[in-house]
Amino acid sequence: NAGVTQTPKFQVLKTGQSMTLQCAQDMNHNSMYWYRQDPGMGLRLIYYSASEGTTDKGEVPNGYNVSRLNKREFSLRLESAAPSQTSVYFCASSESRHASPLHFGNGTRLTVT
Amino acid sequence: AQKITQTQPGMFVQEKEAVTLDCTYDTSDPSYGLFWYKQPSSGEMIFLIYQGSYDQQNATEGRYSLNFQKARKSANLVISASQLGDSAMYFCAMREAYFFSGGSNYKLTFGKGTLLTVNP
Repeated sequence: NAGVTQTPKFQVLKTGQSMTLQCAQDMNHNSMYWYRQDPGMGLRLIYYSASEGTTDKGEVPNGYNVSRLNKREFSLRLESAAPSQTSVYFCASSESRHASPLHFGNGTRLTVT
Repeated sequence: AQKITQTQPGMFVQEKEAVTLDCTYDTSDPSYGLFWYKQPSSGEMIFLIYQGSYDQQNATEGRYSLNFQKARKSANLVISASQLGDSAMYFCAMREAYFFSGGSNYKLTFGKGTLLTVNP
């Protein structure tokens, strides 16, 4: 079972470059999320989506955009990368039930120089 | 104000002993959920245990149990009989409901984590 698949696993960008992080899940989950993880900060929510066609800002949305292309896919775009966006990015999905845990992808390690 | 607080940046425990990782939370949502995740050095996020705000009994999953004290707003993770493989970062997280035009759903807020080291 693939679960949540993120691509790429690693990426190095120069300041000002753009890129899209891809995420797909095969568990038929309605809810999908993007988090970033920085040392000493835990995981912080960037954007989330309750269903296809809906997205909402999380705690740290500035500098990012998202697209919920369909039920399976939820992409995160950096239009003009900045060194402050150097981080590990996690995509996650869950059922829309209260007790449902988030299922995480393996993360994308992004470095912006 | 922080919604999830983990006050122990790092903890050490001897193999085979029990350890408690602290977590306190703050919410006005009467129907919330609390989760613990483990992140080993390889980086993946592993779900460990869940406690709902209306659950009468403390959750248990194998060697993991959750000491849920609702009035004190704490949800501490207890790991019994620690193993070397338990060495990892542990995150407490709280699920709260949010509402949008199409209905309602949930989002998870994480604490900053506790790095547990199990010594042989």
